Amino acid sequence: SQQGEEDPQALSIQEGENATMNCSYKTSINNLQWYRQNSGRGLVHLILIRSNEREKHSGRLRVTLDTSKKSSSLLITASRAADTASYFCATDVSGGYQKVTFGIGTKLQVIP
Amino acid sequence: DSGVTQTPKHLITATGQRVTLRCSPRSGDLSVYWYQQSLDQGLQFLIQYYNGEERAKGNILERFSAQQFPDLHSELNLSSLELGDSALYFCASGLRQGAKGYGYTFGSGTRLTVV
Repeated sequence: SQQGEEDPQALSIQEGENATMNCSYKTSINNLQWYRQNSGRGLVHLILIRSNEREKHSGRLRVTLDTSKKSSSLLITASRAADTASYFCATDVSGGYQKVTFGIGTKLQVIP
Repeated sequence: DSGVTQTPKHLITATGQRVTLRCSPRSGDLSVYWYQQSLDQGLQFLIQYYNGEERAKGNILERFSAQQFPDLHSELNLSSLELGDSALYFCASGLRQGAKGYGYTFGSGTRLTVV
C-alpha cells in the first residue's frame, strides 16, 4: 500500500498562478521528499524536509510539514509551462539506506 | 544526465519470456533501488541492494529477481512475463547528500512492453 497520498490527483492552472499540492501519510517519518517527473521520464529530486522541520524553501518551491496532521504541502509560486509534470511525495520512515515509499502523484498542467 | 544509467530504454517482448534490465548507479553510490511504475500508478518499490547485498524487499514478485555485482551495477531479471508486467522500471541510487539534502537519483527508466 502507498504510504503517501497526494491531493489533488490532477491540477490545471494558468501560467503565473501558484500551484499547491498536498501529501498525507500514515506512519511517523524520518523525512519527506518531493520529486518531479516529466512524462515517461525519471524522477527528479526537488526538496527534502526532515521531521523536525516545519518549512523549507528552494527557489520557487515552498514545502511545509505538519507532523501532527501527518501532512505536507508543496507550493510552486509563479508557475511556468515548464512546471507541467507529475509531482510525488515520498516518505522515509527510517532514514539511512531503507526504502522510501512514494505516493501516486499529482499531475500538474500549467497552461501558457 | 543524472549519472544513473539504465539500459535498455525500451523493450518489447512476448508473454512467457525473460528479460534483464540493467542499472549502473551514480559514481560513489553504493545503494541501488528498483521501482516499478505502471500506467497512472505510483512507484512501487521492488528491492534494494547495498554494496552487493540485498537490504530491503518490497512488492517484488517471485518471478522477478535482482542482484548487484562487485562493480556495483545491478540487474533486474523478470521471467515468465505477463501482460501486466508492462510498466516503466526505474533504478535509483543514493542516498546522496547535496544542497537539497538526501534524496534519490533516478535513471531515465526502461519501458517494458509485454505483448
